Parts: sequence; C-alpha cells; structure tokens
Amino acid sequence: DTGVSQNPRHKITKRGQNVTFRCDPISEHNRLYWYRQTLGQGPEFLTYFQNEAQLEKSRLLSDRFSAERPKGSFSTLEIQRTEQGDSAMYLCASSFGLAGGQDTQYFGPGTRLTVL
Amino acid sequence: ILNVEQSPQSLHVQEGDSTNFTCSFPSSNFYALHWYRWETAKSPEALFVMTLNGDEKKKGRISATLNTKEGYSYLYIKGSQPEDSATYLCAFGTTSGTYKYIFGTGTRLKVLA
Repeated sequence: DTGVSQNPRHKITKRGQNVTFRCDPISEHNRLYWYRQTLGQGPEFLTYFQNEAQLEKSRLLSDRFSAERPKGSFSTLEIQRTEQGDSAMYLCASSFGLAGGQDTQYFGPGTRLTVL
Repeated sequence: ILNVEQSPQSLHVQEGDSTNFTCSFPSSNFYALHWYRWETAKSPEALFVMTLNGDEKKKGRISATLNTKEGYSYLYIKGSQPEDSATYLCAFGTTSGTYKYIFGTGTRLKVLA
C-alpha cells in the first residue's frame, strides 16, 4: 500500500449529469476526509468518516452531494445534477484517527472535475 | 465563520535566501495546527503537526512555531532551494461544532536559481 489513491484523476462532464469519485485510503487508517479546492483557495472541508460512520458534513455541502464509506474502507463521493460551480479539485485524505490533535492526514492526488 | 489567513499569498526569493510565512487562526476552540507542502501535480504532504502553545518543530531547513494564545504560527525556511518551490498550506483543527480542519489559502513560494 503506497498511499491514498483517487479515481478518476480527471473527469469532464456536462451540466446536469451525475458523477461519482472513488477514494481508496491507506488500509490501516480509520478516518477519511473529503475536501474541495478551487483556484486560489485552500482545500475546503466537505465531510469526514470515522470507519463507516459519517461524523461531520459541511453546511456548504448541498443535497446534491452524498458520500459513503461502506465497510469502512474505500469511499465514494457522488454529485448529482452537476453545475458549473461544482468544477473543482476534489481531494481525499485519510488518517489513523489519533487523539490529541496528532492526527496527520495523508492526501490523495485528487480528482479534477470540469463541468461544461 | 472561522477564518484562517495566510500571508503573504505568494513570494519569490533567490536561492539561498531565508524566508518565513504566517498563518493566523482563531485563538479559541484550538485543537491542532498542521502545515502542508503542496507541489504542483502532487498530493499535499504533511510537514508539521503542532498542538501545544509554544511548540517548535524542525525538519531539515524548515521549522515552525506556534502561538495558540494569539492565534498564529510561523513557518521558516532557511537557505531556500529551488526544490522548496511549492504552496505551503496551514490547517487549523478546531473543536468548534464538531471536530474538523479549516485550511488557509496557502502561500505560493517560488525559489529562483
């Protein structure tokens, strides 16, 4: 296991279509995070999982976005009825879930979404 | 709204120069402060995880300090090299609401040979 992987790396879709991204975390990691990054901005928190439980979801995340982590391993992020404003880099990160703030996140390479 | 600010937004330095960046964050509900380096076409890579006021961390030519009472962290690079060129991100870990991390917009560093 060499790190966090994400697929696809690039996705171009037409407005109104649904898209799904996959993240495979480092196998021993309990926590998995999704972030969105647009040009000139830092990664924006979307949601995170502790094993299979989704513990936090950003209020910025519309109902068109849904994430799952069945069996506490890989995760999928689905965007329904995509809009041009959804164009961004979608980053996944995973961590051991260490207490006390010592929890380093390891990031994947991201999926770049372009909505035409 | 929790705001994490980084300054400067970007800078160019000559090879061999030393430089530093600032990350400002809310001084309440502090949990942790992380620094990442993000090179173009690569994944963000963790540099430091800091949790205690007064923490100082060092990795080679790069070091960081933390002041949780006043809400800032400094990242220092000594003797910059072209391979240090990257975007440096800080992430504020907060217990406000439910535990989460809020990233700054980053400082884009270009080291000129």
